[in-house]
Amino acid sequence: GAGVSQSPSNKVTEKGKDVELRCDPISGHTALYWYRQSLGQGLEFLIYFQGNSAPDKSGLPSDRFSAERTGGSVSTLTIQRTQQEDSAVYLCASSEQGGRYGYTFGSGTRLTVV
Amino acid sequence: GNSVTQMEGPVTLSEEAFLTINCTYTATGYPSLFWYVQYPGEGLQLLLKATKADDKGSNKGFEATYRKETTSFHLEKGSVQVSDSAVYFCALSDRAGGTSYGKLTFGQGTILTVHP
Repeated sequence: GAGVSQSPSNKVTEKGKDVELRCDPISGHTALYWYRQSLGQGLEFLIYFQGNSAPDKSGLPSDRFSAERTGGSVSTLTIQRTQQEDSAVYLCASSEQGGRYGYTFGSGTRLTVV
Repeated sequence: GNSVTQMEGPVTLSEEAFLTINCTYTATGYPSLFWYVQYPGEGLQLLLKATKADDKGSNKGFEATYRKETTSFHLEKGSVQVSDSAVYFCALSDRAGGTSYGKLTFGQGTILTVHP
């Protein structure tokens, strides 16, 4: 597609439920990244995919967070047993060549855990 | 590890004033440097970039020069407009001796407000 597409744009969920966030990168971009943006925490790196493998998942905050990428394209970030501190905007970005020349970000998914 | 430090905000200016937002970095390899901008209610947009020492990135009247000797990438604009009000993020991507770049490391962001 023309840009990075994320869905849903907004998600309200009850504490303890599982959620899935989807990212559809720019066609042909081999690298994909997930970030989290929350008040007081700035932009936190979560995980990086090169193709379907994740050479860097150091930013996942707990084992409740997982992500996968299939076909070198769409990625899903799953948060199990959501907690209120998971409330944030989850951003996805994609790039060519692992990001040396810039990354294109999606508009994000605003997750609210109530 | 890698890190990016931006000047403390928020920054408030009058229209047509000169803007500088300082950014310094620490990196273990050969970083590319970026400025991203986030307008109210919108996502992150790449503003400009530089991939090697002494490169100057420029866009929309903004400029930043990659200074390896001072490990800096300060953002400047000669005459700001009300429409420049946004949050500005300095960031780096570091090869660290490998062939692929990985994650972006961001600064904490600087809020800029421009008054008419």
